[in-house]
Amino acid sequence: GESVGLHLPTLSVQEGDNSIINCAYSNSASDYFIWYKQESGKGPQFIIDIRSNMDKRQGQRVTVLLNKTVKHLSLQIAATQPGDSAVYFCAENPNAGGTSYGKLTFGQGTILTVHP
Amino acid sequence: GAGVSQSPRYKVAKRGQDVALRCDPISGHVSLFWYQQALGQGPEFLTYFQNEAQLDKSGLPSDRFFAERPEGSVSTLKIQRTQQEDSAVYLCASSFRTRAGELFFGEGSRLTVL
Repeated sequence: GESVGLHLPTLSVQEGDNSIINCAYSNSASDYFIWYKQESGKGPQFIIDIRSNMDKRQGQRVTVLLNKTVKHLSLQIAATQPGDSAVYFCAENPNAGGTSYGKLTFGQGTILTVHP
Repeated sequence: GAGVSQSPRYKVAKRGQDVALRCDPISGHVSLFWYQQALGQGPEFLTYFQNEAQLDKSGLPSDRFFAERPEGSVSTLKIQRTQQEDSAVYLCASSFRTRAGELFFGEGSRLTVL
């Protein structure tokens, strides 16, 4: 993923709307992907993961879609709530050179703001 | 403990000072990672331990950075002769897996070098 410095993409939604956050990953050899949520002053919190042998995985209110052809990952949040406001990061496990132990490369974050 | 614990939460150092950051992972977790997160960016990998063995230190920015996990539990990240560019949040994460899986992150140690 690319770093965009201080100018993170932003997404503003109304409470109750569905949110879609997108991520382009860089390594076609990556076989494991995770979405993390990071609130101000806290560490990243696991949301959902997906392995490369799948193209969709659903959790509670969240769905991750993986398109390996174009190296694209998305996170869909249903019925977004104010508590969902945070920075969201995608991460990939490059799985090259013996990194199958889970070394993650994080993509650019997206700031999600949910208005009541 | 219930989660990954890091200390100190905040550290202010004068340029040239040495600092030590501590990570107490979730009990029983084999894998331990250190990441560095600059303001407005995603975390960047620094180093990885499997039990007490440091299997990957390719992300350490310079030889001023040193990490250890002598008994396969608590880990310390040491930065010698701190520079202003070392200012960042240092995140520790642990996992019970030795293969790719969910990482549990601590809240981080915010280092500010003046």
